[in-house]
Amino acid sequence: EDQVTQSPEALRLQEGESSSLNCSYTVSGLRGLFWYRQDPGKGPEFLFTLYSAGEEKEKERLKATLTKKESFLHITAPKPEDSATYLCAVQAESGGGADGLTFGKGTHLIIQP
Amino acid sequence: EAGVTQFPSHSVIEKGQTVTLRCDPISGHDNLYWYRRVMGKEIKFLLHFVKESKQDESGMPNNRFLAERTGGTYSTLKVQPAELEDSGVYFCASSQYRTTEAFFGQGTRLTVV
Repeated sequence: EDQVTQSPEALRLQEGESSSLNCSYTVSGLRGLFWYRQDPGKGPEFLFTLYSAGEEKEKERLKATLTKKESFLHITAPKPEDSATYLCAVQAESGGGADGLTFGKGTHLIIQP
Repeated sequence: EAGVTQFPSHSVIEKGQTVTLRCDPISGHDNLYWYRRVMGKEIKFLLHFVKESKQDESGMPNNRFLAERTGGTYSTLKVQPAELEDSGVYFCASSQYRTTEAFFGQGTRLTVV
């Protein structure tokens, strides 16, 4: 069964204090690993897709990296507007599991001014 | 371009009643997914449509849940009869292809009392 574990569950940082969120996964053949951002009362908002170990993607203050067992979401010099829950999800190869995404529980990130 | 739209945004029903949730995907997106998040747990996959066909319904909890997608456009998810454990937030997502990122709606918060 595909599994995604995110850590920490919650993280409080000062504005400008860089850090990383972790996503460990087990999947029956990885098609893609996804990072989403979710604000209260809203649906998940797509950030990145990573397909193979060694791949990296960046967007503003965020950078996502992927290894064969885990992914990191690095946040550099965060601002209060980066406060949100960050979700990691995996998609299995066709025939390797359910068609949909398998999500972790998320990391609740708070950036204090 | 309009995003994924879900309604109602909130629904409170009594145990034993019927509720129908609706999802309008992004125009041109053949893939439509339903997910659910119950309190304290991760977002879980329910089912996947490709156009009007059910591609994978392995995540549907039981036969009280019925999903349809009329003409490959909007989709409905009916719960009949509703039980207390059906409470949660139901998300719909759509994507152009199975391998591309899915865009989520804002969700329907269902409360069964």
